[in-house]
Amino acid sequence: DVQLVESGGGLVQPGGSLRLSCAASGFAFGRFALSWVRQAPGKGLEWVSWISARSGYIEYADSVKGRFTISRDPSKNTVFLQMNTLRSEDTATYYCAKDFLMATEAPDVSDVWGHGTMVTVSS
Amino acid sequence: DIQMTQSPSSLSASVGDRVTITCRASQGVYDSLAWYQQKPGKAPNLLISAASRLQSGVPFRFSGSGSGTDFSLTISSLEPEDFATYYCQQYYKTPLTFGGGTRVEIK
Repeated sequence: DVQLVESGGGLVQPGGSLRLSCAASGFAFGRFALSWVRQAPGKGLEWVSWISARSGYIEYADSVKGRFTISRDPSKNTVFLQMNTLRSEDTATYYCAKDFLMATEAPDVSDVWGHGTMVTVSS
Repeated sequence: DIQMTQSPSSLSASVGDRVTITCRASQGVYDSLAWYQQKPGKAPNLLISAASRLQSGVPFRFSGSGSGTDFSLTISSLEPEDFATYYCQQYYKTPLTFGGGTRVEIK
């Protein structure tokens, strides 16, 4: 089965850092781009970041640019989201999602999603 | 950024009803439009991509149409498991953007 499992969420103070991980299995990790999408409690979906299959292309939402860094480790079949200088408005469930099409150079629709990991930024 | 406007934001319907949700983009996105279904406490589930392409395993009662700026998702006959929130998303240009969601509730 194709599966994405997020981890690393938790409670952090404003200004703090957190690193999310997304472990992938059941598909050719090195051939698909991956995204992070978040959802604040009771709110809609917000696309956060995207990394291409070979890490050659990376995109960020303006709301996180300069604070968040996406990366991937093919040896671990894992994608990461390093989140620095966290703000209260970053409080959300963070989902990892896989691109539908292979080897894209720009974000595509997401056909497989993880269960999400909750990040709470509060003092 | 491309703004995606969904309507209605919520609706009440009965099992067996035909339901249509619309999504309008602030600029043309060709057919780079997807629809997702999300149930409480769960991750979104991709229903339709390329405006009208049904994902494998998605029931045929779901259909999508439109191109450019105006799109719609239709459920031909609501089933109990269809009560959920539906989101449109454009993937024509970054940042990818979602509509605000349409909550489909039981009448």
